Amino acid sequence: NAGVMQNPRHLVRRRGQEARLRCSPMKGHSHVYWYRQLPEEGLKFMVYLQKENIIDESGMPKERFSAEFPKEGPSILRIQQVVRGDSAAYFCASSHNAANTEAFFGQGTRLTVV
Amino acid sequence: TQLLEQSPQFLSIQEGENLTVYCNSSSVFSSLQWYRQEPGEGPVLLVTVVTGGEVKKLKRLTFQFGDARKDSSLHITAAQPGDTGLYLCAGAEGGDDKIIFGKGTRLHILP
Repeated sequence: NAGVMQNPRHLVRRRGQEARLRCSPMKGHSHVYWYRQLPEEGLKFMVYLQKENIIDESGMPKERFSAEFPKEGPSILRIQQVVRGDSAAYFCASSHNAANTEAFFGQGTRLTVV
Repeated sequence: TQLLEQSPQFLSIQEGENLTVYCNSSSVFSSLQWYRQEPGEGPVLLVTVVTGGEVKKLKRLTFQFGDARKDSSLHITAAQPGDTGLYLCAGAEGGDDKIIFGKGTRLHILP
């Protein structure tokens, strides 16, 4: 897990607010993945990004969710107008390049919507 | 869409016993990874298997990639309470290398 930094670790939002989750990949990694995990379940793919490009967002809800990975700075997963069902752990992973699918994970952001 | 199915979903055994968990797919993967996740933490990469039939050992853990590269297994010898956790297999899907995960095997080793 060393190197992939996610913040905040815990985030509490009221219904209708916005949640911004940040992920700084390991140094030298240009590929970022976001996953969502509900209690007692596995990881559900949300979105795969390379620098400045969204490669695959097939796991993202079509409304309220967006992700970016700018040329400079961390990747951001943004959830607008949060609802209780958005409460989950959100994990970010990074990998070196497309040919190397070994991904290294951050410690996650636990979002609680109240 | 390629799916990775893991079995069993839950496993609770006594310390010292051996166990095997499985990761199966109808599709061929160029490589498979195994991760272990503890409560409140992110998954930690254990191993990558690449070649059909490949066997890798990590102390008491033995990982095998099926000959056809569609399945993999994880065997733990003399399980210890520290082995408790969620074991996830993962593989790259399609040409764009989206990494997908199985739902995991939740392992509990009883002291």
